Amino acid sequence: DGGITQSPKYLFRKEGQNVTLSCEQNLNHDAMYWYRQDPGQGLRLIYYSQIVNDFQKGDIAEGYSVSREKKESFPLTVTSAQKNPTAFYLCASSLRSGEKLFFGSGTQLSVL
Amino acid sequence: EDQVTQSPEALRLQEGESSSLNCSYTVSGLRGLFWYRQDPGKGPEFLFTLYSAGEEKEKERLKATLTKKESFLHITAPKPEDSATYLCAVQALTYQKVTFGTGTKLQVIP
Repeated sequence: DGGITQSPKYLFRKEGQNVTLSCEQNLNHDAMYWYRQDPGQGLRLIYYSQIVNDFQKGDIAEGYSVSREKKESFPLTVTSAQKNPTAFYLCASSLRSGEKLFFGSGTQLSVL
Repeated sequence: EDQVTQSPEALRLQEGESSSLNCSYTVSGLRGLFWYRQDPGKGPEFLFTLYSAGEEKEKERLKATLTKKESFLHITAPKPEDSATYLCAVQALTYQKVTFGTGTKLQVIP
């Protein structure tokens, strides 16, 4: 079945540690996105990519990094510079930029 | 700056009790308004896209409508399985960013 796979479901980060969240899609979509969801707040865009080897910062990119070496994959690294990383992270894709989003099942990141 | 405001924050309905959720928005030229459903601990699931004022779309017990300033998600005779958080989002014509509202948490009681 086509879809977006995020892993892991739960992730714990120690102080000073970088962690990487995985996102893979087999929908043959061009555009991929990373959102952060905090209780009581709307989804906030971290990074997005419209094509392979190209990506742009969203509203809250500080402390995060991404890569888009393959069309299917868009991993997100939460670096030690992100001082408040505890949140629910959602990866999404769309056939083209501006079209409806297909979301993964999310990764809950917590700080130890 | 684009803004999306959803109301109410939470809504509790008896099974069969119809109601509406509101999404008010300001955007510099609307490309599209989206409705999503999100279950606890899961990613949002797409429901509808509306493009222009006066447009309506339906799916089972849900009907979405759009004016120049707001959108409504009407729920007719809801069932407990309709319980979820409903998210509204807008995209402007001039750039790729999608702005989400904070959602309405709907609980339907048997």
